[in-house]
Amino acid sequence: AQSVTQLDSQVPVFEEAPVELRCNYSSSVSVYLFWYVQYPNQGLQLLLKYLSGSTLVKGINGFEAEFNKSQTSFHLRKPSVHISDTAEYFCAVSGSGGYQKVTFGTGTKLQVIP
Amino acid sequence: NAGVTQTPKFRVLKTGQSMTLLCAQDMNHEYMYWYRQDPGMGLRLIHYSVGEGTTAKGEVPDGYNVSRLKKQNFLLGLESAAPSQTSVYFCASVGGRAPDEQFFGPGTRLTVL
Repeated sequence: AQSVTQLDSQVPVFEEAPVELRCNYSSSVSVYLFWYVQYPNQGLQLLLKYLSGSTLVKGINGFEAEFNKSQTSFHLRKPSVHISDTAEYFCAVSGSGGYQKVTFGTGTKLQVIP
Repeated sequence: NAGVTQTPKFRVLKTGQSMTLLCAQDMNHEYMYWYRQDPGMGLRLIHYSVGEGTTAKGEVPDGYNVSRLKKQNFLLGLESAAPSQTSVYFCASVGGRAPDEQFFGPGTRLTVL
């Protein structure tokens, strides 16, 4: 079984400040990790993914995440946020093979304050 | 390419009514999924399909049925709608066998009165 925990349901941050959105996972097999972003009244779109290789993953819009196997974490970071980053962010985990079951976290709402 | 499209975008039903949500993708993807999104609960998998003619249950399948008669379409049916099925429904698709990016539709907002 696999699960994802996003500890923060809401994160307010001032514009141009750095931000970290936390994600912890559990899985009994090798994992593949994703961050998705959902803007208001839209579907989800991929920010970045970790499948293998370098544990530091860079995504779109200046976001990056680091896979930490020992801490079972995949935290999302951005050094300087913009108003346009206001959205809900979902961490997701998928096990290897099969039908690609993906388990999503409950989401973190990032509110960028001008 | 339109990607993943969903029909309708909004719908209001009365308890006991039935309806079908249509998901279509033009990327020749094998895998398709139906999720529901509720506040504070993230996305929960209702049903999924690993190819044309195949479907399987996800984590919250009760009250829903699905069909995948054509590779590009994945239909979600509610036979007798209940207020607990008020939600936003998302369809997604994936191309290959290896875990990879899911492409999402814009969602259908369903209210059951």
